[in-house]
Amino acid sequence: DTEVTQTPKHLVMGMTNKKSLKCEQHMGHRAMYWYKQKAKKPPELMFVYSYEKLSINESVPSRFSPECPNSSLLNLHLHALQPEDSALYLCASSQDHWGSTEAFFGQGTRLTVV
Amino acid sequence: AQKVTQAQTEISVVEKEDVTLDCVYETRDTTYYLFWYKQPPSGELVFLIRRNSFDEQNEISGRYSWNFQKSTSSFNFTITASQVVDSAVYFCALSEGRNTPLVFGKGTRLSVIA
Repeated sequence: DTEVTQTPKHLVMGMTNKKSLKCEQHMGHRAMYWYKQKAKKPPELMFVYSYEKLSINESVPSRFSPECPNSSLLNLHLHALQPEDSALYLCASSQDHWGSTEAFFGQGTRLTVV
Repeated sequence: AQKVTQAQTEISVVEKEDVTLDCVYETRDTTYYLFWYKQPPSGELVFLIRRNSFDEQNEISGRYSWNFQKSTSSFNFTITASQVVDSAVYFCALSEGRNTPLVFGKGTRLSVIA
């Protein structure tokens, strides 16, 4: 099973709402990632968790709050977002932290902020 | 700093034609990893191949082949006898190893016309 599952697939939220994106993998991977992808652009790294600890935060605004409850789950809590935060949010996991192993991506959550 | 250049923004071919997607990279490290990912309209990034800097052997997988040349810092991807299902955005990516985030090129959008 090389599947990374993300829910929901689509999300529309207002600027005052609080929502969460969820990501799950059962491959025993110890590194998990959140990426943001705007239309016609490459994915941009947001956060990296390695062994359930946040190891990289690419200067992401605090309105995005990641959480790793256990080695299989990764959440992204959203609060007070702006319309420019509308994008495809991709979760990925890899056996180890980047480089020597490939990452597997979920189908993403298409987020629209209104 | 590491960098990946995919000079071809969009390519359009007729079904059964061969097509090569170019990727040129920059890095100062002697140990690094190169990747190709496919992103169909559904949004998921599908892993295609990983190659480390010490392995310059070309690889063939069905209709897909990859040409890694350290002398020109290139890692090109060829699809033989293209099919409509090959239509997608293809990303080349580079990692300099442990704890180094993956850097993506801007992607090449391939359209295969029946």
